[in-house]
Amino acid sequence: EVQLQESGPGLVKPSQSLSLTCSVTGYSITSNYWGWIRKFPGNKMEWMGYISYSGSTSYNPSLKSRISITRDTSKNQFFLQLNSVTTEDTATYYCAKGPYWYFDFWGPGTMVTVSS
Amino acid sequence: DVVLTQTPPTLSATIGQSVSISCRSSQSLLHSNGNTYLNWLLQRPGQPPQLLIYLVSRLESGVPNRFSGSGSGTDFTLKISGVEAEDLGVYYCVQSTHAPRTFGGGTKLELK
Repeated sequence: EVQLQESGPGLVKPSQSLSLTCSVTGYSITSNYWGWIRKFPGNKMEWMGYISYSGSTSYNPSLKSRISITRDTSKNQFFLQLNSVTTEDTATYYCAKGPYWYFDFWGPGTMVTVSS
Repeated sequence: DVVLTQTPPTLSATIGQSVSISCRSSQSLLHSNGNTYLNWLLQRPGQPPQLLIYLVSRLESGVPNRFSGSGSGTDFTLKISGVEAEDLGVYYCVQSTHAPRTFGGGTKLELK
């Protein structure tokens, strides 16, 4: 059974970088697509980007200058880095798996607060 | 970006009641390949989102058949035929026809 688990600091200072890891078990990240999605306080959800089975990436243009998604296939992990964070980046961050067109498995999410 | 407008924002229902949620898109979600990439998710309290329906009307494996999706172009509907207690939470439509993928604002299903 596929499982995804996000990890990383729960508190980040403004202007610093947010770095999260998604550890995957039960499925190889060299298949399918692996994405990051965040949910802001309230209900608003935002698709951030994905890394594909081949290592290609696609990002939300609203984040394009600040975001990077990478992977370590030997550890079956993929990573999110978001630079120059502000308080508006406070959200719960989810990693997810799927075919190109949708995400069918999600991690439990990790809450990240941006505050000094 | 494509804007998805969900209505109502909040829905109060009794157990066994049938309810519908609307999702309207600012652009047609018909892809040039002939498919329409409109999906529905449910986020129960304290849980991550769960895929319910993809490609407008295809039920994800393990999802009860009281859930159904319909629609085309810019207008889509999720119907629950007989709400059960486990159906409470926030429902989202999400499109992946146009980049970037976008989500509706959510519909919270509550018990009346």
